[in-house]
Amino acid sequence: DQQVKQNSPSLSVQEGRISILNCDYTNSMFDYFLWYKKYPAEGPTFLISISSIKDKNEDGRFTVFLNKSAKHLSLHIVPSQPGDSAVYFCAASQTGANNLFFGTGTRLTVIP
Amino acid sequence: DTEVTQTPKHLVMGMTNKKSLKCEQHMGHRAMYWYKQKAKKPPELMFVYSYEKLSINESVPSRFSPECPNSSLLNLHLHALQPEDSALYLCASSRRQRTGSDSPLHFGNGTRLTVT
Repeated sequence: DQQVKQNSPSLSVQEGRISILNCDYTNSMFDYFLWYKKYPAEGPTFLISISSIKDKNEDGRFTVFLNKSAKHLSLHIVPSQPGDSAVYFCAASQTGANNLFFGTGTRLTVIP
Repeated sequence: DTEVTQTPKHLVMGMTNKKSLKCEQHMGHRAMYWYKQKAKKPPELMFVYSYEKLSINESVPSRFSPECPNSSLLNLHLHALQPEDSALYLCASSRRQRTGSDSPLHFGNGTRLTVT
């Protein structure tokens, strides 16, 4: 049973606009969340994380928002750039656990 | 450039072959992982090594045999694989085994394995 879900397999956005990628989880014990970016023929690259004691974490153009009551997190990229075109995975774990649970990914295409 | 290096990038092997996948990291991380990723699926954990000791085996068949010769190296020995084992095999490392805000996983670029 998929504990982390990304319901949008793909997203297209114009360059300069905001990209919003969404992720839902079912396990209320998860308290550490990450976003990874993956280019073809490469492994996932760590982007940004957030722990459940926060509801927002920002790093440059990337901001992750966490809504614990809704078991939902989102990644905002603003402004979007063509180089951001990749597959984005969200992942979740319980602090102190050994495994990350990944979503199925969302393919972002930023149109020049 | 990734700080976790995996070789080879591609591997084609028959069901009777024996081969090994290799992974190396020089970040001083003490936990290393093998993940398997099938097309259009998320990565799935296979093994975790912490301080060079196997700490997690996610019910992986014995035809996959991990080895951690030292804190920088991780191998995955393959023997008598099946065509359904064809996948992208990802190695990862983290500062420590237990996940937390200061210990994200860093992945290599993977080995694309095809079993014929």
